[in-house]
Amino acid sequence: AQSVTQLGSHVSVSEGALVLLRCNYSSSVPPYLFWYVQYPNQGLQLLLKYTSAATLVKGINGFEAEFKKSETSFHLTKPSAHMSDAAEYFCAVIFSGSARQLTFGSGTQLTVLP
Amino acid sequence: EPEVTQTPSHQVTQMGQEVILRCVPISNHLYFYWYRQILGQKVEFLVSFYNNEISEKSEIFDDQFSVERPDGSNFTLKIRSTKLEDSAMYFCATNPAASTDTQYFGPGTRLTVL
Repeated sequence: AQSVTQLGSHVSVSEGALVLLRCNYSSSVPPYLFWYVQYPNQGLQLLLKYTSAATLVKGINGFEAEFKKSETSFHLTKPSAHMSDAAEYFCAVIFSGSARQLTFGSGTQLTVLP
Repeated sequence: EPEVTQTPSHQVTQMGQEVILRCVPISNHLYFYWYRQILGQKVEFLVSFYNNEISEKSEIFDDQFSVERPDGSNFTLKIRSTKLEDSAMYFCATNPAASTDTQYFGPGTRLTVL
C-alpha cells in the first residue's frame, strides 16, 4: 500500500541549530510531494512542494527540501531554527493514480529550545 | 491574499444529530476537498468535488456523509447522524485546476459529538 512515513513524532532543536524533519514515501512512481505547517489552532499552510522540476525545493520561512528518488525521501531542512518555527509539520503526497488526494504523514511536532 | 474560510469554528452536537459544516472556497478555484483530523491522528482525505459532483472519495466517506455546493459559493459537508467517532477537526481545501496546484486549507471546524 502507498504510504507516507515521518520518522520522529517529536523533534527538539536549540535556537540556531539545524532543523531536519524526515519524510519517506512508498511508491515505485515518483509522486508529488508537499510539506505543510500547522501552528496551534490554525489550518495547514503550504511550506513547499515538489512537482517533478528541480529536486531541491525552496519554500517559505527559509525551509527547503530535497527529493531523492533512490531513497524515496523528501526531508525538510532549515539551517538555523527560530523560536517561531515551533509548530507541527506534515509531509503530504499525491500518489500516481490517486488524482488529487493528499495522503499525509503522521506529523512531526517541532520544539525550538532557547 | 484570498483565503478559504470555514464556519463554524467549533460545533458541539449530540450523537445522532445532523450537522452541516460550511466552507467558502477561494473564488476562482474549481476543485474542493474535505479532510479530517481526529485528535492525535493524521490528517485524512474524505472527498474531492469538481463540477458539482464527487470526483474521488475515501472509505471513510460513507452514506452518512454528503457534500454539495448549493449556491455556487458555499461548499458544505453534511453528516446525517453523527457518531462519537466523528469528533474531529474538519478541514476544507481548494485549488485552481491542475493536480499539482497547491491545495489551500481553511482554518478548520472542530466538531465535538457528545
